[in-house]
Amino acid sequence: AQSVSQHNHHVILSEAASLELGCNYSYGGTVNLFWYVQYPGQHLQLLLKYFSGDPLVKGIKGFEAEFIKSKFSFNLRKPSVQWSDTAEYFCAVRGQTGANNLFFGTGTRLTVIP
Amino acid sequence: GAVVSQHPSRVICKSGTSVKIECRSLDFQATTMFWYRQFPKQSLMLMATSNEGSKATYEQGVEKDKFLINHASLTLSTLTVTSAHPEDSSFYICSASEGGRRQPQHFGDGTRLSIL
Repeated sequence: AQSVSQHNHHVILSEAASLELGCNYSYGGTVNLFWYVQYPGQHLQLLLKYFSGDPLVKGIKGFEAEFIKSKFSFNLRKPSVQWSDTAEYFCAVRGQTGANNLFFGTGTRLTVIP
Repeated sequence: GAVVSQHPSRVICKSGTSVKIECRSLDFQATTMFWYRQFPKQSLMLMATSNEGSKATYEQGVEKDKFLINHASLTLSTLTVTSAHPEDSSFYICSASEGGRRQPQHFGDGTRLSIL
């Protein structure tokens, strides 16, 4: 069965600290991977996605993620967080073929202290 | 950017009432729309996928007679929770895609449904 695990439920960082949010998935086949962000009071927005090719994917606002196939992981990183990065972050997986359904993790709440 | 409008944002109603939630794509044609449900501190769970002009495809365990989905146009899908009960209280989120696997899903703001 498909599943996505996000290890950290709530992360608290000071501004300028580096960020890494974990995401592991279980899926029987080739996958597409996504990170979404939900700022307070707003809808989910796509941060970045991986379909194929270079496993290091760069997204908006300085975020990047690395797909490590052998570890079934797609961790999200940012070298220096800002207060405006305070939000909820969701990892999602989809099979590369077949239905266009996304399977989401439970989300990680990031609080950045100024 | 692509905008998806979901209405209402919050609804509180009595048990036994039917509630309709609308999901509109404002500046693009949504070939496919998705309906998700999110319980507190849990992930978004896909309920159903609807393609314009076709019957919705429901995920296992989702009652199609309970959660009626209509996707009659390329800009509007509706989810009707029929004869709602307190256990149906949840956060419902829709997303819309222009179709094709390369097209991203654009999400609405969600609807907080509370059944008394």
